[in-house]
Amino acid sequence: AQSVTQLDSHVSVSEGTPVLLRCNYSSSYSPSLFWYVQHPNKGLQLLLKYTSAATLVKGINGFEAEFKKSETSFHLTKPSAHMSDAAEYFCVVRVRTRQLTFGSGTQLTVLP
Amino acid sequence: NAGVTQTPKFRVLKTGQSMTLLCAQDMNHEYMYWYRQDPGMGLRLIHYSVGEGTTAKGEVPDGYNVSRLKKQNFLLGLESAAPSQTSVYFCASSLFRRGQQPQHFGDGTRLSIL
Repeated sequence: AQSVTQLDSHVSVSEGTPVLLRCNYSSSYSPSLFWYVQHPNKGLQLLLKYTSAATLVKGINGFEAEFKKSETSFHLTKPSAHMSDAAEYFCVVRVRTRQLTFGSGTQLTVLP
Repeated sequence: NAGVTQTPKFRVLKTGQSMTLLCAQDMNHEYMYWYRQDPGMGLRLIHYSVGEGTTAKGEVPDGYNVSRLKKQNFLLGLESAAPSQTSVYFCASSLFRRGQQPQHFGDGTRLSIL
């Protein structure tokens, strides 16, 4: 079985400060992991994906995530938040050819 | 760069009415999916298709039917709408279903059942 837990439903940061969105996963096999972002009234856009080639994955808009097998985590980070980063973020896991399993989402608020 | 297009974007129905949501993709993807998104629950898979003429049930298929008559289109039907089906519906597509293939999403259909 596979599952994913996003540890924070809401995160608030000030513009220019670091962002940390936490995600833990559970799977019986080596997982594929993704982070998606959803802006208001829009669909989900892929930020980055873990392909097993490197544990530190760089994505679009300055985001990156580190796969830590020992901690079963795939946290999303960005060094400096921008107002345009305000959105909902989803951590997603897939094992082999099974369907995607979505986390419940983390709403990121960026304060001026 | 159309990608995945969903129609309509908004709809209000009365309980018991029927309707069809249309999803179209122009990326020649084999796999297509229908999800529903409810507050605090992420996205849940309703039905999916692995190719033209095929469909399969996902996590929450009850009350919905789907058809994939053409490779580029995937239709989601509600035969008798219920208030519990009030949700935001997303269509997605992917080239393959192998682990690392991402899914591409449409902008969603916001459906309210009164």
